[in-house]
Amino acid sequence: GQQVQQSPASLVLQEGENAELQCNFSTSLNSMQWFYQRPGGSLVSLFYNPSGTKHSGRLTSTTVIKERRSSLHISSSQTTDSGTYLCALERGQGGRALIFGTGTTVSVSP
Amino acid sequence: ETAVFQTPNYHVTQVGNEVSFNCKQTLGHDTMYWYKQDSKKLLKIMFSYNNKQLIVNETVPRRFSPQSSDKAHLNLRIKSVEPEDSAVYLCATDWGYEQYFGPGTRLTVL
Repeated sequence: GQQVQQSPASLVLQEGENAELQCNFSTSLNSMQWFYQRPGGSLVSLFYNPSGTKHSGRLTSTTVIKERRSSLHISSSQTTDSGTYLCALERGQGGRALIFGTGTTVSVSP
Repeated sequence: ETAVFQTPNYHVTQVGNEVSFNCKQTLGHDTMYWYKQDSKKLLKIMFSYNNKQLIVNETVPRRFSPQSSDKAHLNLRIKSVEPEDSAVYLCATDWGYEQYFGPGTRLTVL
């Protein structure tokens, strides 16, 4: 089965609302990376966060290894936050290829 | 600033044709990757290449083959495309602990 699960699958927000995206994994963690992808766009790395909490502007990533989960918090959402958010783990064998989650599609309306 | 370049952006072809996609990275790292993103936006690793050596080859069909001339270039050739090959193909490389992705090549097989 899928080793990395994300929830919710989709999220609709009003501008200004906060959101919490979840990433749960069944395999042991070597690294955790969060990406953002616009429709038809490339992947942009948001965080490399194998453990603990990291902040970047309105985004916060928290990874709890023992609980095999990572979250991405968006505060005061803006329409430009619309897109797909993906979490990914390092495979841990044969290089550093990533195993991606199923993604959360976020839509922020004005 | 873009550091992973892919060409072409789009490609439409008929079943049975051969296609080749190019990838170049300017970050100077030894390892490059090819991922496939399907219509459900699920990303899966296809190949990892470290300084001209294939170190991961997922169970992709034999018609797919990576081709590398040097550590900055990793192309992807598909010998005889099939309808299920329609997808976005993303090239990536390592930079520190993170992976950086190119903009992708969207393949449509008619």
